[in-house]
Amino acid sequence: EDQVTQSPEALRLQEGESSSLNCSYTVSGLRGLFWYRQDPGKGPEFLFTLYSAGEEKEKERLKATLTKKESFLHITAPKPEDSATYLCAVQADPTSGTYKYIFGTGTRLKVLA
Amino acid sequence: DTGVSQNPRHKITKRGQNVTFRCDPISEHNRLYWYRQTLGQGPEFLTYFQNEAQLEKSRLLSDRFSAERPKGSFSTLEIQRTEQGDSAMYLCASSPRDPGSYGYTFGSGTRLTVV
Repeated sequence: EDQVTQSPEALRLQEGESSSLNCSYTVSGLRGLFWYRQDPGKGPEFLFTLYSAGEEKEKERLKATLTKKESFLHITAPKPEDSATYLCAVQADPTSGTYKYIFGTGTRLKVLA
Repeated sequence: DTGVSQNPRHKITKRGQNVTFRCDPISEHNRLYWYRQTLGQGPEFLTYFQNEAQLEKSRLLSDRFSAERPKGSFSTLEIQRTEQGDSAMYLCASSPRDPGSYGYTFGSGTRLTVV
């Protein structure tokens, strides 16, 4: 069964303290792995798509990497405005007949000033 | 175009009542998705439309749930005979033909409370 597990569930960092969030996945034929940011009371906001092992994407203080079994979201020198829930999702190969994303439960990040 | 619009933002209903939510996707996006999210959980897939065709429906979607997308434009999600377990945030998302590097664009959701 396709599955996504994120860790840790919650993370508190001091401003400027770098860290990484983990997303481990099991999927039959990975079409793509996606990272989203979600602020309270809002819908998720797209950050990155990763397609194959070894791929990396960067945006400001965020860098996402992908292996065959997991993805990491590295946050370098975070600021309080980076506080949010970060969601990971996978999409299986659509030729299997499904188009849905499977989301993890997210990591709630709090960055303290 | 200001993104994906969902209405209403909040809905409180009594158990047993029917409710309907509306989603207006980004106009050039032909793919539309409905997800449900409960507190502390990630979004859970409900259904997917490509233009007006409903191509996938979750097994979690009981026969009390129905979704439409007439003429491939806006979409509605109806829940009949609501139950307390239906309380959640209902999220709509849209994407171009191939979400690829753009992912989904989500709306801000409709929060349903069943009392």
